[in-house]
Amino acid sequence: SQELEQSPQSLIVQEGKNLTINCTSSKTLYGLYWYKQKYGEGLIFLMMLQKGGEEKSHEKITAKLDEKKQQSSLHITASQPSHAGIYLCGAWPMDSNYQLIWGAGTKLIIKP
Amino acid sequence: DSGVTQTPKHLITATGQRVTLRCSPRSGDLSVYWYQQSLDQGLQFLIHYYNGEERAKGNILERFSAQQFPDLHSELNLSSLELGDSALYFCASSGGQGMDIQYFGAGTRLSVL
Repeated sequence: SQELEQSPQSLIVQEGKNLTINCTSSKTLYGLYWYKQKYGEGLIFLMMLQKGGEEKSHEKITAKLDEKKQQSSLHITASQPSHAGIYLCGAWPMDSNYQLIWGAGTKLIIKP
Repeated sequence: DSGVTQTPKHLITATGQRVTLRCSPRSGDLSVYWYQQSLDQGLQFLIHYYNGEERAKGNILERFSAQQFPDLHSELNLSSLELGDSALYFCASSGGQGMDIQYFGAGTRLSVL
């Protein structure tokens, strides 16, 4: 069962548009990762957030972790075809005993 | 290239058989994590080793076992294979045993026929 809820499950956006993907936990987290995966390939690290209220940016991607450390968003500005893929959030719940849990992923398609 | 090497890339075998998947972590990384990714279950954590010792166990079946050797490479052994074991198996490595960045290998695609 997924303890990290990702939304939406899939997203089709016009190239150049902005988009947001969300990741929500029912438990407080030590921290959270965002990864990107091309179909059938390995996961590529994007960002790691550990502090409540933290925000990080890399190129056109910004990720935030809320103050309660239960919700994160990934925002892409001016989307490009290279942004297409599956975005996964992974996290360490505070009671997890070092068991990392993962969201089901958000499939992003960019329309030219 | 993440620096994590997994072999083989593809594996096709029959039900009831046993296979071994191999993972070489990034140079200097002491932690190795194994994951299973299937269409219906998503990415599932199996097991974590740190410097040769088991640190955490996730949804790993009793038919599966793993170990990390003194040179820090790791092997995941899957036995009495069933059709439902068909999946992508990923290995990831990190420097420490806490919340470090995990670097993923390209995966081994296992098909059980």
